[in-house]
Amino acid sequence: GENVEQHPSTLSVQEGDSAVIKCTYSDSASNYFPWYKQELGKGPQLIIDIRSNVGEKKDQRIAVTLNKTAKHFSLHITETQPEDSAVYFCAASMGAAGNKLTFGGGTRVLVKP
Amino acid sequence: GAVVSQHPSWVICKSGTSVKIECRSLDFQATTMFWYRQFPKQSLMLMATSNEGSKATYEQGVEKDKFLINHASLTLSTLTVTSAHPEDSSFYICSAAGGLAGRNEQFFGPGTRLTVL
Repeated sequence: GENVEQHPSTLSVQEGDSAVIKCTYSDSASNYFPWYKQELGKGPQLIIDIRSNVGEKKDQRIAVTLNKTAKHFSLHITETQPEDSAVYFCAASMGAAGNKLTFGGGTRVLVKP
Repeated sequence: GAVVSQHPSWVICKSGTSVKIECRSLDFQATTMFWYRQFPKQSLMLMATSNEGSKATYEQGVEKDKFLINHASLTLSTLTVTSAHPEDSSFYICSAAGGLAGRNEQFFGPGTRLTVL
């Protein structure tokens, strides 16, 4: 089955700096890669996703890149703000609505003011 | 965006009792719903996948007789933890997918904190 590795497990950045989280996946059939933000005591919230037919996607301060050949994808947060502090999860799926997600282990991001 | 609700948001029960958690997709019809559990400082662990009108598919190691899942309609799925024990204490999260044609995002509920005394 699919295996998703996520690094780093914790990340501390100064407000205004950039944060980068990297994930690798094992199954070349995976074609959908979402990123979720989870705040304490809440459910994960989808913040951005990318499909295997594109290499990069951007939404304001958040961007995701995908390298299908190397089977890795990354989340980039620019101009970090204290409210970006949370746990971020990457995931991989084989795409159809009923297909399950395989999650990475999570990255705890702390943005210091 | 799509909204998924869960009820209750937290529950405390005595060992040996059963607890039912509801998951509703509020503004779309979910052909598939997923149930996860999450222990502190850990990732989400998929427990089961349920499709409306059919039996749930459980992940390896998850007891189907202990975690009963019903997906009676396109907007409602329930998880019943039967004969709960302290080790079942966890954060249970559902997600829903399939409402938007051609898209495969999963939208998550806010979670239910179960504490078994």
